[in-house]
Amino acid sequence: DGGITQSPKYLFRKEGQNVTLSCEQNLNHDAMYWYRQDPGQGLRLIYYSQIVNDFQKGDIAEGYSVSREKKESFPLTVTSAQKNPTAFYLCASSLGTYNNEQFFGPGTRLTVL
Amino acid sequence: AQRVTQPEKLLSVFKGAPVELKCNYSYSGSPELFWYVQYSRQRLQLLLRHISRESIKGFTADLNKGETSFHLKKPFAQEEDSAMYYCALSQSGGSNYKLTFGKGTLLTVNP
Repeated sequence: DGGITQSPKYLFRKEGQNVTLSCEQNLNHDAMYWYRQDPGQGLRLIYYSQIVNDFQKGDIAEGYSVSREKKESFPLTVTSAQKNPTAFYLCASSLGTYNNEQFFGPGTRLTVL
Repeated sequence: AQRVTQPEKLLSVFKGAPVELKCNYSYSGSPELFWYVQYSRQRLQLLLRHISRESIKGFTADLNKGETSFHLKKPFAQEEDSAMYYCALSQSGGSNYKLTFGKGTLLTVNP
């Protein structure tokens, strides 16, 4: 399973703390995405980036922030402003350039204690 | 706004029976439709996309623009088909690459 890696696999955070989830890809993909997966809710888009140094809010961006300083990396910060951060977070990437098949990482499960 | 609806949260069939997972969408432009699958303890992965018109693991899906549907079908279900299935929609041929996912259907194939 190479290609897209996410770390850590499990993450625990105390309320009021910010935490950063890592996502790296070696597929030379232009576009990267962050989703949140909750039972019964499917996948909801948090942020996406179609090119380095550019990103857009998805459907549920409040309480999250991202950066895209390198093509390979798209870290997600879950801030203390996120009301319900406990969830499974998935990172994905796609080639872009009119090819929007997305490839997914293994996910990070964040639990707020 | 684009929307994907999967009306069944859970679907249970017996091995060898036909299976159909429903997907309806709303989108004002020209859509591209996908089915993604997540097997237990595995990554979410692409199963098929309508533009390729392929049959993958015995599954097929036809885009019906009149009914705005992209139902996933398999004539004879196998136990290894048990998984979570997501239908997803994207803008076709455009520069916006984001996908909109349905809420998913959990398929259980019983022996």
